[in-house]
Amino acid sequence: DTGVSQDPRHKITKRGQNVTFRCDPISEHNRLYWYRQTLGQGPEFLTYFQNEAQLEKSRLLSDRFSAERPKGSFSTLEIQRTEQGDSAMYLCASSLVGGLAGHNEQFFGPGTRLTVL
Amino acid sequence: AQKITQTQPGMFVQEKEAVTLDCTYDTSDPSYGLFWYKQPSSGEMIFLIYQGSYDQQNATEGRYSLNFQKARKSANLVISASQLGDSAMYFCAMSIRVLTGGGNKLTFGTGTQLKVEL
Repeated sequence: DTGVSQDPRHKITKRGQNVTFRCDPISEHNRLYWYRQTLGQGPEFLTYFQNEAQLEKSRLLSDRFSAERPKGSFSTLEIQRTEQGDSAMYLCASSLVGGLAGHNEQFFGPGTRLTVL
Repeated sequence: AQKITQTQPGMFVQEKEAVTLDCTYDTSDPSYGLFWYKQPSSGEMIFLIYQGSYDQQNATEGRYSLNFQKARKSANLVISASQLGDSAMYFCAMSIRVLTGGGNKLTFGTGTQLKVEL
């Protein structure tokens, strides 16, 4: 299967701990996105990479959050000093350059469900 | 600011019937895209259909069609011949281009939970 993969699928941690999630996009996709989805809501945009460059960050991405895509392939999202309010599904998506007049379809991974106790 | 509104938290439809899921949007950007995604209980977001703001015709993909009324800023999803496997959460999303790099970010509505009954 060559879809977007995310690891781990589930993470339970205690408040104050650091966690890191990984996303592997579809191999030929050079754009990668992170979203957060809380219960009963739609996903909210967090950040966007084109190749290894992080080009936009949402105000939702506090200083405790950092995302990287060091070689323009996989990406990591780290949350430091987790809080109970960080409990959510973290979704990664990837897309191609071009097509659909710049509004390319984003292919989503299965998500990482974070629970902060 | 961009906003997507889905006013139906839940919908029921009988198998083999058609159902319309409502979506309205707000943006001042003349170039945007409208997407519908399906999210089953497993959690992954599955792309269903896309409509560009400059497209003249309504999009169709198999049993899915998008009723795009630009003046009313609505982009309703129509599912024909509903199947039990269509039971899921459905999200309407608007794509706006980011300021640098040419990518696009999605703004989602709150979703509609669809249940297909026998």
